[in-house]
Amino acid sequence: QITLKESGPTLVKPTQTLTLTCTFSGFSLSTSGVGVAWIRQPPGKAPEWLALIYWDDATRYNPSLKNRISITKGTSKDHLVLTLTNTDPEDTATYFCAHAEVRGPIDSFDMWGQGTVVTVSS
Amino acid sequence: DIQMTQSPSSLAASVGDRVTITCRASRNINNYLNWYQQKAGKAPKLLIYAASSLQTGVPLRFSGDGSGTDFTLTISGLQPEDFATYYCQQGYNNLRFGQGTKLEIK
Repeated sequence: QITLKESGPTLVKPTQTLTLTCTFSGFSLSTSGVGVAWIRQPPGKAPEWLALIYWDDATRYNPSLKNRISITKGTSKDHLVLTLTNTDPEDTATYFCAHAEVRGPIDSFDMWGQGTVVTVSS
Repeated sequence: DIQMTQSPSSLAASVGDRVTITCRASRNINNYLNWYQQKAGKAPKLLIYAASSLQTGVPLRFSGDGSGTDFTLTISGLQPEDFATYYCQQGYNNLRFGQGTKLEIK
């Protein structure tokens, strides 16, 4: 059974760096065809994909955030970290991590965490 | 940058109805299109991947079609639990989501 859970601060001041952790179980990020993504959703808006890391350590980033965002595997095999620098109130959102299944050329997010709410405000 | 446009933005229907939601890409994305369902306060749930493949465990009343720039999600025989917001997501380059279609009870 695949599960994912996000953790991190609920409140961040503008210009600070946001660091979120995704802890997962039920799969290995070393298995071919597997990835983990970060997706966020501002209140009342559509989801926005942020970043994706694959079993082979390859990464993809949303071009609109590429200079501010980083996704890395954690020190243990069951978690990874998202870092977002120079935060702004527009980064206020629910942040989700999700298991990604690579089926041919398309990535789809088939299992999601419950999400963690982050507010950027002074 | 490929834009995804969903229509309608909201839709009212009754239990038992057949409904279709459309997603249009600003340029050819082959079949690199996923559909998700999201209920209030919950994470999105994958329904359809690669435009027409049903995700394991998703009821057969959900179906997807399309290729290139025009895609549809059809729900045949709406059930009470289907009233939710639906998003398309392109898997071609920046994995962008559409703006959503809110399906409400008539």
